[in-house]
Amino acid sequence: QITLRESGPTLLKPTQTLTLTCTFSGFSLTTNGMAVGWIRQPPGKALEWLALIYWDDDKLYSPSLKGRLSVTRDTSKKQMVLTLTNMAPVDTATYYCTRLVEGPTIDYWGQGTLVTVSS
Amino acid sequence: DIQLTQSPSFLSASVGDRVTITCRASQGISSYLAWYQQKPGKAPTLLIYAASTLQSGVPSRFSGSRSGTEFTLTISSLQPEDFATYYCQQLNTYPGYSFGQGTKLEIK
Repeated sequence: QITLRESGPTLLKPTQTLTLTCTFSGFSLTTNGMAVGWIRQPPGKALEWLALIYWDDDKLYSPSLKGRLSVTRDTSKKQMVLTLTNMAPVDTATYYCTRLVEGPTIDYWGQGTLVTVSS
Repeated sequence: DIQLTQSPSFLSASVGDRVTITCRASQGISSYLAWYQQKPGKAPTLLIYAASTLQSGVPSRFSGSRSGTEFTLTISSLQPEDFATYYCQQLNTYPGYSFGQGTKLEIK
């Protein structure tokens, strides 16, 4: 059974750094073509694609957030970590961890975690 | 950046209706397009990938097609559980996998 679960802080102050962890099971990030990534959704708004990290440690970032965003992985722990610096109220959103397979296709999503940025 | 424009943004329909949602890409993305359904408070679920391939377990009343840079999602006969918001997403690698702005499908 494939699952992804997001964990991390629910409330941050402006200028702080967000660190979210995605813990996954049921597949390996070392499988050729596999990737794990992040998508976010501000309350009542559309989905926004953020980043991906691939089976070979290649990384892909949203151009609009590239300077603030980084992703890393720990294949032995089956975890992937997102870091987003200089958080602002506009970064308030539900953050989803996702799996991408060769195709490419995003076929599994975590349940999401709401992160609120407020002073 | 590749922009996706979905239309309409809102759609009111009745059970049994046939509905079509369109997603237009600002440049060529081949068939690297997916459709998702999202219900309130839930994560999106994959309906269609590669423009027209039905994800396993998705009812056959859902279908997708492509004509150049225009993609369509069709629901042949709306069921009560289909009222939700639908998003398209392009998966042409560079510069990133952007989404459309969504189409909210409501009960008439």
